[in-house]
Amino acid sequence: AQSVTQLDSHVSVSEGTPVLLRCNYSSSYSPSLFWYVQHPNKGLQLLLKYTSAATLVKGINGFEAEFKKSETSFHLTKPSAHMSDAAEYFCVVSERTGRRALTFGSGTRLQVQP
Amino acid sequence: EAGVAQSPRYKIIEKRQSVAFWCNPISGHATLYWYQQILGQGPKLLIQFQNNGVVDDSQLPKDRFSAERLKGVDSTLKIQPAKLEDSAVYLCASSPVTVQGHGYTFGSGTRLTVV
Repeated sequence: AQSVTQLDSHVSVSEGTPVLLRCNYSSSYSPSLFWYVQHPNKGLQLLLKYTSAATLVKGINGFEAEFKKSETSFHLTKPSAHMSDAAEYFCVVSERTGRRALTFGSGTRLQVQP
Repeated sequence: EAGVAQSPRYKIIEKRQSVAFWCNPISGHATLYWYQQILGQGPKLLIQFQNNGVVDDSQLPKDRFSAERLKGVDSTLKIQPAKLEDSAVYLCASSPVTVQGHGYTFGSGTRLTVV
């Protein structure tokens, strides 16, 4: 079984300040982990993925995440928030092989203040 | 390459009516998924097909939901009869069988409102 816990349902930051969105996962096997972003009334967009290579993963738009097996965490960070980063962010876990269905967290809404 | 196509984009129906959604995956993608995203929540897997066989439908409310994937290409998801709590966005996604890690492509979804 696999699950994801996003520790904050809402995060508010000022433009130009760092972003930290927290995610913990539970999995009975070595997982693949992803972050997706969803802007209002838009589809899901893949930000980045971890699939067993480097534990520090760089994604699009300056986002990155670090896989920490000992802490079962996969937190998403960005050094400097931009107004366009305001959206809903989902942490996602899946098996690396086999069924590979995605299990989504409940989401974190990122608000960026001017 | 063309993306995952879904139709309709929006649908409003009354409770107890029936509704069907259609999905056309990326050409060559053997695996097809239907997800339900209720407002304010993350998407939840309803059913997974590999070619035209069901891999996992454990979270599909089978008393009212049904899905098929004839010929291993297009898929249809049906709700009959609909309830108010079925209001959600229904997302279709596809992936190749052999790609590890990722290969998912999501469609834009069908937003269903049950009144």
